[in-house]
Amino acid sequence: QKEVEQDPGPLSVPEGAIVSLNCTYSNSAFQYFMWYRQYSRKGPELLMYTYSSGNKEDGRFTAQVDKSSKYISLFIRDSQPSDSATYLCAMSSASKIIFGSGTRLSIRP
Amino acid sequence: SAVISQKPSRDICQRGTSLTIQCQVDSQVTMMFWYRQQPGQSLTLIATANQGSEATYESGFVIDKFPISRPNLTFSTLTVSNMSPEDSSIYLCSVEHTRGGDEQFFGPGTRLTVL
Repeated sequence: QKEVEQDPGPLSVPEGAIVSLNCTYSNSAFQYFMWYRQYSRKGPELLMYTYSSGNKEDGRFTAQVDKSSKYISLFIRDSQPSDSATYLCAMSSASKIIFGSGTRLSIRP
Repeated sequence: SAVISQKPSRDICQRGTSLTIQCQVDSQVTMMFWYRQQPGQSLTLIATANQGSEATYESGFVIDKFPISRPNLTFSTLTVSNMSPEDSSIYLCSVEHTRGGDEQFFGPGTRLTVL
């Protein structure tokens, strides 16, 4: 079993829709949870970072962590074509980061 | 966030040759990381490079194949040695956030194709 599981997609939704991206993990030692966005032929860009259960909001993005269920989510409201990218969840313990395999997201105009 | 540049941005190399990838950061950082991202895959950590000490390699990666230099706090190189087509990948360097959190910031990557 992988330490971090993420549905690879691809996920295609119409512009303006709410997008939900999810990851599960097995290692209860993970303390920090991150979401990265990676455009084609670019390096990953940090979107959200949190270390506690609950929700963290930043503009159209909301990161949700449920440590009891070992489940994290990223919600994108009012999705835009510019949100089309691969989204990687990541989690860490003691400076070692484990990445999910990434979900390819496409927003249709 | 740190500004990270990598050279080259891409290269096409012949089997059996070696390529050195450079990573430059605009601020001093203690730890730099090298990752590999194979087509359609996630990021896999190759090694952690601290200035003034030997790099620490992850399971499955060895110094003879991926020698790393870290001459100062803003620069590192990764060499991919004796390349084979299986080494075709994107190679990324990253640094930790300066405020001490676990999140990392990535360079733009080097896209390597080995023929």
